[in-house]
Amino acid sequence: AQSVTQLDSHVSVSEGTPVLLRCNYSSSYSPSLFWYVQHPNKGLQLLLKYTSAATLVKGINGFEAEFKKSETSFHLTKPSAHMSDAAEYFCVVSDSGNTGKLIFGQGTTLQVKP
Amino acid sequence: GAGVSQSPSNKVTEKGKDVELRCDPISGHTALYWYRQRLGQGLEFLIYFQGNSAPDKSGLPSDRFSAERTGESVSTLTIQRTQQEDSAVYLCASSFHGDSGNTIYFGEGSWLTVV
Repeated sequence: AQSVTQLDSHVSVSEGTPVLLRCNYSSSYSPSLFWYVQHPNKGLQLLLKYTSAATLVKGINGFEAEFKKSETSFHLTKPSAHMSDAAEYFCVVSDSGNTGKLIFGQGTTLQVKP
Repeated sequence: GAGVSQSPSNKVTEKGKDVELRCDPISGHTALYWYRQRLGQGLEFLIYFQGNSAPDKSGLPSDRFSAERTGESVSTLTIQRTQQEDSAVYLCASSFHGDSGNTIYFGEGSWLTVV
């Protein structure tokens, strides 16, 4: 069965410093992987997705993630954090069977300090 | 609007009552999903509809939960005899096709509080 593990439940950075949110996945086949962001009292927004094309995926708002099969990782990074980046981030893997059903990680809360 | 629309946005109900939550997917999207998000937790898959195929109900937590979808349009999630542990945000999502490469778009959710 597919699963994702977000290694940090809470990450705190200073504005202008790099962001690293870690995610490891488990999959018996070549998965599709996603990062979603959820701002307080807002819906989920897709940041980026990997679907077996380029391993370095660029998303919105300056975020990017690198798919590393050897490490079964899909960490999310951003060179310089902005206050507006403070939110909950979910690493997500698609289920098997090509249904598009998504399996969510438990989420990482990103705090950005001024 | 162009996005996934859910109603009601907020619902407070008494324990034991039935509730219905509605989802209008993006026009043309054949796949529709329901997820539940409890406070401070990730999303739990509930049910998935793809076109006219039999729905994948593997995530429904009990027989008090059911969902219907009319063709490729509106879906209704029904919770019977609500319990306090049913309190959560219920999120609906849709995609053009139930394929792992397609982007899934989420609504803003229906916040359910059972008192």
